[in-house]
Parts: sequence; structure tokens; C-alpha cells
Amino acid sequence: EVQLLESGGALVQPGGSLRLSCAASGFTFSSYAMSWVRQTPGKGLDWVSSISGSGANTYYADSVKGRFTISRDNSQNTLYLQMNSLRAEDTAVYYCAKHIGSGVTPAGRGIDYWGQGNLVTVSS
Amino acid sequence: DIQMTQSPSSLSASAGDRVTITCRASQGISNYLAWFQQKPGKAPKSLIYAASSLQSGVPSKFSGSVSGTDFTLTISSLQPEDFATYYCQQYNSYPFTFGQGTKLEIK
Repeated sequence: EVQLLESGGALVQPGGSLRLSCAASGFTFSSYAMSWVRQTPGKGLDWVSSISGSGANTYYADSVKGRFTISRDNSQNTLYLQMNSLRAEDTAVYYCAKHIGSGVTPAGRGIDYWGQGNLVTVSS
Repeated sequence: DIQMTQSPSSLSASAGDRVTITCRASQGISNYLAWFQQKPGKAPKSLIYAASSLQSGVPSKFSGSVSGTDFTLTISSLQPEDFATYYCQQYNSYPFTFGQGTKLEIK
């Protein structure tokens, strides 16, 4: 059974930093691309960042580029999102998501599983 | 960026009804489109990938189709557990983009 368990969400002041983690189990982690998707309370879904199975390729939304860093430790089956220079508009529930393939080609980029979500609140 | 225009934004229906939700892409995305269901306070659930392929464990009452840049999610024989918000998402190219969502409510 695929399981994705996020952690690290917290209340942080504007300009602060936070690292989210997503512990994966139930599948061969290194074979699949992973993403972070966020949702502002009461609003829609917003893609944040993706990483290929090997970790060699990373992608970011313009709104977080230069501030957030996605990474993965395939030996620990864990996905990370390092968030720096946080702003009030980064306040959201952050979901990690597993893709159906390695993510190198479009066919492998569809999402099949989601974590339960982790709340990040940026406020003074 | 590819814009995904989803309609309607809300929809009222009765148990047993058949409903259709549409997503239009601002440019060609082949069939790289997914549909998700989200209930209040819960994580999204994947329903369909590649426009018309059901994710494992998803009942066949859900179906997807494509015509050019227009994508459709059809839900037949609505049951109480189907009332939720539905999102489309294109994954043909980065940045991935979602539709604004369709809230399916009980009439």
C-alpha cells in the first residue's frame, strides 16, 4: 500500500524558513517522480515543484523559484521541500504527491497518490 | 503557461443523476490531463489520468474523454459519496496547471 506522510508544517514569521518532509512507503521510491502541490484554505490546487525519480531534474512554479528547493533522498525514501524567504501568500496546506512514472516524459507525470497534507502558516 | 478553464464552477444534482464537467486547455496538451476529487478537509484523490484511464480502484461510474483541447469528466448514477469538488490538471508541460474546480452539490 502506497503511503505518503508529510511533516514539518508550522507557524513561521515572514522571511523565515521551513523544511517539509514526505516519507514514502509501499513502492520503489527512486523509480517515481514526486511533486509538491499546495492549497490556500478555501481555494484551489496550485502546483509548486516537481522532481524526477533520480533527482536529476527539478521544476518550480515562478512564484517560488529562487526561494524553495525540492530534493529527495532515495536511500531514505523521503522527499523534501526547503522553503526560504517565506511570505504570507505561501500560507497553505502542502501536499506531496507521487507520479505514475519517473517524470522524464509527459506520460510519466500524472499523479496517482497524494499525502494527507501539512499546514504551513506564515504570519507575524 | 497553459490555462485550464473548467466549467461549471458549481453544479447541483440529485442522487442517481449523470453529470458532466468540462475542462478546456488554452493550447494542445495531447491527452496529458488528470481529474481529481476532493472532499472537505481531505487530500485530493486521483480519479483519471491520460484523459480517460481510470486510476486503480476507481469505479467505472467515472469516465473521461477528450476532443481536441476539450476534456470531459462524466459521473454516472450519482451517489452521496460523489458530492465533492473536482479538479482537472494538465501535465503536458511545466508549470503544471489546474482548473479552478467544480463543486458538485446535492440538489
